[in-house]
Amino acid sequence: AQSVTQLDSQVPVFEEAPVELRCNYSSSVSVYLFWYVQYPNQGLQLLLKYLSGSTLVKGINGFEAEFNKSQTSFHLRKPSVHISDTAEYFCAVSDQETSGSRLTFGEGTQLTVNP
Amino acid sequence: KAGVTQTPRYLIKTRGQQVTLSCSPISGHRSVSWYQQTPGQGLQFLFEYFSETQRNKGNFPGRFSGRQFSNSRSEMNVSTLELGDSALYLCASSLFGVAYEQYFGPGTRLTVT
Repeated sequence: AQSVTQLDSQVPVFEEAPVELRCNYSSSVSVYLFWYVQYPNQGLQLLLKYLSGSTLVKGINGFEAEFNKSQTSFHLRKPSVHISDTAEYFCAVSDQETSGSRLTFGEGTQLTVNP
Repeated sequence: KAGVTQTPRYLIKTRGQQVTLSCSPISGHRSVSWYQQTPGQGLQFLFEYFSETQRNKGNFPGRFSGRQFSNSRSEMNVSTLELGDSALYLCASSLFGVAYEQYFGPGTRLTVT
């Protein structure tokens, strides 16, 4: 079984500031890692995913994440945020062997970008 | 290509009733997964259907059930509704039934009164 912990439930930042949303995971097997964004009254949109290879993954809207196997972390970063980045962000894992399309999500981090 | 569609988008039901939600996957996709999202429990996996067969099931009571039709459209049913079933229900579709190429619909907001 896997579990995901998002270390901050809310992150307020000012526009054009950098941001990091933290995610740790636990699993006894190899996993795929994901970050999703959810805007109010909408579904989930994939920001980026780590499957294998380079540990630095670039996604949409200027976001990137770094996979750290020794620390079992997958933190999301953006060097300069915009008002439009205000949303809830979810980290998720899926085991590589048995879970099909099943995702295990963290609790979410509400990112609020202030002018 | 049209995305994942869910109907209805909003629904209000009374405790004790039953409800059926529908999900139409992206054309050609054979896998549909369902998730429940609540403020208290977050996003939780309900079940996955692949080519009409339930392939995976989360830890929910038997009141929650689903099925998939030959055209890959899926329905989920909740019987004997409880107040705690109020949630956003999301479905996601995948061509090969793998997590790394999965697309989510906009969700159905169910309110139980």
